[in-house]
Amino acid sequence: AQTVTQSQPEMSVQEAETVTLSCTYDTSESDYYLFWYKQPPSRQMILVIRQEAYKQQNATENRFSVNFQKAAKSFSLKISDSQLGDAAMYFCAYRTHNTDKLIFGTGTRLQVFP
Amino acid sequence: ETGVTQTPRHLVMGMTNKKSLKCEQHLGHNAMYWYKQSAKKPLELMFVYNFKEQTENNSVPSRFSPECPNSSHLFLHLHTLQPEDSALYLCASSQDMRETYNEQFFGPGTRLTVL
Repeated sequence: AQTVTQSQPEMSVQEAETVTLSCTYDTSESDYYLFWYKQPPSRQMILVIRQEAYKQQNATENRFSVNFQKAAKSFSLKISDSQLGDAAMYFCAYRTHNTDKLIFGTGTRLQVFP
Repeated sequence: ETGVTQTPRHLVMGMTNKKSLKCEQHLGHNAMYWYKQSAKKPLELMFVYNFKEQTENNSVPSRFSPECPNSSHLFLHLHTLQPEDSALYLCASSQDMRETYNEQFFGPGTRLTVL
């Protein structure tokens, strides 16, 4: 069975600094998708960034980038130039290409200090 | 209204009550989902509907009963719940599982407390 592990329940970062959130997953599939979702205190979950497993190039969305290591089954999220609005729960998620089912990790709470 | 909306935002109910959660998506999507979010646990997928047909029931107890009358609306009917059912219930929608990423868009959730 596929699983997603986020080993950091909480992280903190100073405004304008860089922080990396860890995610590992377990699967026997070769074709799948990985996602990072952000859930601010208002609770609405939004997609931050996504990656297709067959793409070697790491995805980037403005200040957000990933370090995708397929062999190691690792998918970390790097937030550069952290802003107060980045404070939220961050969830790593996995989906095989032929299903609707998203499998989530337990989340990492990110605090941003001024 | 835009995106995915859920009502009510907060609900307190007794174990003998019957209530319903409502989700509406304004994105023209064809798939809708119910998730349960409990503290310190991963989001748990409960049900999936694709083109109004249920395609996933993740071993959810029968005291939770979903209904999808059309592609824009999804309900979760609740009856004789237990205190451990207290959680945040999230609704999501996506275009179609045949889409490459099939990104899911989430609603704000209903915070349910069972007394």
